[in-house]
Amino acid sequence: GENVEQHPSTLSVQEGDSAVIKCTYSDSASNYFPWYKQELGKRPQLIIDIRSNVGEKKDQRIAVTLNKTAKHFSLHITETQPEDSAVYFCAAGYSTLTFGKGTMLLVSP
Amino acid sequence: DAGVIQSPRHEVTEMGQEVTLRCKPISGHNSLFWYRQTMMRGLELLIYFNNNVPIDDSGMPEDRFSAKMPNASFSTLKIQPSEPRDSAVYFCASSLIGGPLDNNEQFFGPGTRLTVL
Repeated sequence: GENVEQHPSTLSVQEGDSAVIKCTYSDSASNYFPWYKQELGKRPQLIIDIRSNVGEKKDQRIAVTLNKTAKHFSLHITETQPEDSAVYFCAAGYSTLTFGKGTMLLVSP
Repeated sequence: DAGVIQSPRHEVTEMGQEVTLRCKPISGHNSLFWYRQTMMRGLELLIYFNNNVPIDDSGMPEDRFSAKMPNASFSTLKIQPSEPRDSAVYFCASSLIGGPLDNNEQFFGPGTRLTVL
């Protein structure tokens, strides 16, 4: 089955800095790669996703890149704000998803 | 649409008791997923239904866990008998897979926080 590794497990940045979270996956059949944001006590919510026929996707301050050859994908958040503080999960798959263990992002004012 | 609905939101029970968690997926979605989230193990897929049929239950921990989807708008996850190690947040998610509107996105419900004493 699919195996997703996510790094780092925690990330502290200053407001305005950029944050990068990286994930690797094992199953070359995976073709859908979403990123979820989960605030404390809340449900995971999709923030951006990318499919295997696309190498990069951007939505305002967040972007995701995908390297299918190397089987890794990354989340980039620019101009971070305190409200970006949360746990971020990457996932890989198609109909079913395998999630990474999460990255706790802390943005300090 | 109200989104994915789960009940109860919180459940506290004693070891050995039966627990039933309920989920109503988003109308029109054909796929439903049950996840368990703990600090130690993260977000784990327990079972996946497509068109009310269980497709992948390899994540179900053991025979104490069972899930049903009697129709397109309702699913249950039952634990019998419950044990303290079952304490976790259980999420239900739904998506639309296949067809012209297929985009794979899974929408999560608010979760049920289960505590087994």
